[in-house]
Amino acid sequence: GAGVSQSPSNKVTEKGKDVELRCDPISGHTALYWYRQSLGQGLEFLIYFQGNSAPDKSGLPSDRFSAERTGGSVSTLTIQRTQQEDSAVYLCASSHRQGSNYGYTFGSGTRLTVV
Amino acid sequence: AQSVAQPEDQVNVAEGNPLTVKCTYSVSGNPYLFWYVQYPNRGLQFLLKYITGDNLVKGSYGFEAEFNKSQTSFHLKKPSALVSDSALYFCAVRDMGYGNNRLAFGKGNQVVVIP
Repeated sequence: GAGVSQSPSNKVTEKGKDVELRCDPISGHTALYWYRQSLGQGLEFLIYFQGNSAPDKSGLPSDRFSAERTGGSVSTLTIQRTQQEDSAVYLCASSHRQGSNYGYTFGSGTRLTVV
Repeated sequence: AQSVAQPEDQVNVAEGNPLTVKCTYSVSGNPYLFWYVQYPNRGLQFLLKYITGDNLVKGSYGFEAEFNKSQTSFHLKKPSALVSDSALYFCAVRDMGYGNNRLAFGKGNQVVVIP
């Protein structure tokens, strides 16, 4: 597509439930990133996929968080047993290989609210 | 590890006046530097980048930024602010070290342009 698409745009869930957030990157972009944006905290790196290489998971805050990228395209970020501190905007971005030279293209994000 | 500091939470400026948003960075090697802007309920939009070459970089919407290696700064500037420039601005840095594809973001600066 023309841009990075994320769904849903908003998600309200009960504490303890699992949620899945989806990211559809720009066609041809081999790199995909997930960031979390909390109020007043800036952007926190979560995970990075590059082609068929093993993902860089070093930013995932706990083992309740996981992500996969199927076929080198769509990615799903899963949060199990959600907690209130998981409430944030989850942003996905994609880029060409070595894409940081060119910057990222961000999606509009998924606003997650855990009640 | 790379990091970015944006020392001011909010920048208020009168319409028509010069706008400056400050950013300092820390990397072990040479930096790639970026500015992004975020409008309400939107993803981040790329404004400009410094990779190499001229220290003064020009970007979208009349913005520019100056790379200062000795001061490790990359301040964003616009000669004459518009009300429509009111948004959240993020500075980001990537260490050019091999294998590092991650951008580190600052916490963001809210810019308010007063009519």
